[in-house]
Amino acid sequence: GESVGLHLPTLSVQEGDNSIINCAYSNSASDYFIWYKQESGKGPQFIIDIRSNMDKRQGQRVTVLLNKTVKHLSLQIAATQPGDSAVYFCAENMVTTDSWGKLQFGAGTQVVVTP
Amino acid sequence: NAGVTQTPKFRVLKTGQSMTLLCAQDMNHEYMYWYRQDPGMGLRLIHYSVGEGTTAKGEVPDGYNVSRLKKQNFLLGLESAAPSQTSVYFCASSNRGTNTEAFFGQGTRLTVV
Repeated sequence: GESVGLHLPTLSVQEGDNSIINCAYSNSASDYFIWYKQESGKGPQFIIDIRSNMDKRQGQRVTVLLNKTVKHLSLQIAATQPGDSAVYFCAENMVTTDSWGKLQFGAGTQVVVTP
Repeated sequence: NAGVTQTPKFRVLKTGQSMTLLCAQDMNHEYMYWYRQDPGMGLRLIHYSVGEGTTAKGEVPDGYNVSRLKKQNFLLGLESAAPSQTSVYFCASSNRGTNTEAFFGQGTRLTVV
């Protein structure tokens, strides 16, 4: 989910359930797509990335899915825990003319884990 | 291992004052960045550097200047602060070739009154 106005979309998840966070991206030329997690009062932290020539990548308790046809990215978190409560950002890595990839962040989704 | 360290953590400025935000990384990363984060707008790139002595403009560079005199340090300057620059500022660094994984500092909360 991308935000509208000043309020982040919020995903409320019960502890132990799976979470799915969605993101629409804009640039079909992006080389990588990335997920970051930001806990309250902290800087963003890298979770996982996926190259544009892949459609699925798995990490520890997380899976990222990429659907290039509809420019959609999702992050699945298995067995959501209280420590997963945070704002999740998707980002695109757009390769520039000097071959450096600039990270373009989305507005974020707030995940709230309830007991 | 400290990672990315930003100073100060909080600051209140009056309109028209100047200040410099300091960023230091101890991971020998080539790339460094300054972002600002405003409610509902994610992170927007202000300036970045792909190596010592080089800097470039990002998405929202106006009103800011930067310098990278040493590889481990990236300074962000506000010459004449404006209320629109009230924000949380994040510094980040990454390795050449793996720059999808950026390491962020804890942020500097700046208020301009």
